Amino acid sequence: AQSVTQLDSHVSVSEGTPVLLRCNYSSSYSPSLFWYVQHPNKGLQLLLKYTSAATLVKGINGFEAEFKKSETSFHLTKPSAHMSDAAEYFCVVSEGGNNRLAFGKGNQVVVIP
Amino acid sequence: DTEVTQTPKHLVMGMTNKKSLKCEQHMGHRAMYWYKQKAKKPPELMFVYSYEKLSINESVPSRFSPECPNSSLLNLHLHALQPEDSALYLCASTRGTGTTTEAFFGQGTRLTVV
Repeated sequence: AQSVTQLDSHVSVSEGTPVLLRCNYSSSYSPSLFWYVQHPNKGLQLLLKYTSAATLVKGINGFEAEFKKSETSFHLTKPSAHMSDAAEYFCVVSEGGNNRLAFGKGNQVVVIP
Repeated sequence: DTEVTQTPKHLVMGMTNKKSLKCEQHMGHRAMYWYKQKAKKPPELMFVYSYEKLSINESVPSRFSPECPNSSLLNLHLHALQPEDSALYLCASTRGTGTTTEAFFGQGTRLTVV
């Protein structure tokens, strides 16, 4: 069974500084990995995904993530935080074929002006 | 069209009421999902429909009754809910039965049970 660990439930960053959100996963198979963002009272929007192609994945709004199999990690980064990046971020893993997604507990990102 | 549309956006209902949540997608996706999300928590899977058949029920109480009338529509019928059922209900869809492709989520229905 797959599982996801997101440490640092709350992350504060200053506007214009880098953002780093950590995600570690466990999976019995070759997983697909996703990062989703959720603004207050909204649905989840896909930021980026890894599905066994390039290990460095670029997403929307300047976000990117690197898949490291040896470290079972899929950390999310952005070089310069914007006020609009304040939201909840979920790392999600799927093993495929079973219709189940495993969600991390989420990172609440606060951007300080 | 890459949207999953949920109606209504907000719903307040009494514990004796019967109401329905609706979800629609026109991406040709063949798997559709209901999730429940409490504040500050990740979404929790409730039901999965695959090719219009119920494939997963995560031991959800019978006061929640899903329905998939066709490949584009998904309903969640609510009856005799409890205050603890108040939450954001999210609908999602994926292209196929596996989940190696991304899930598309609707904006959710904010349900309050009084």
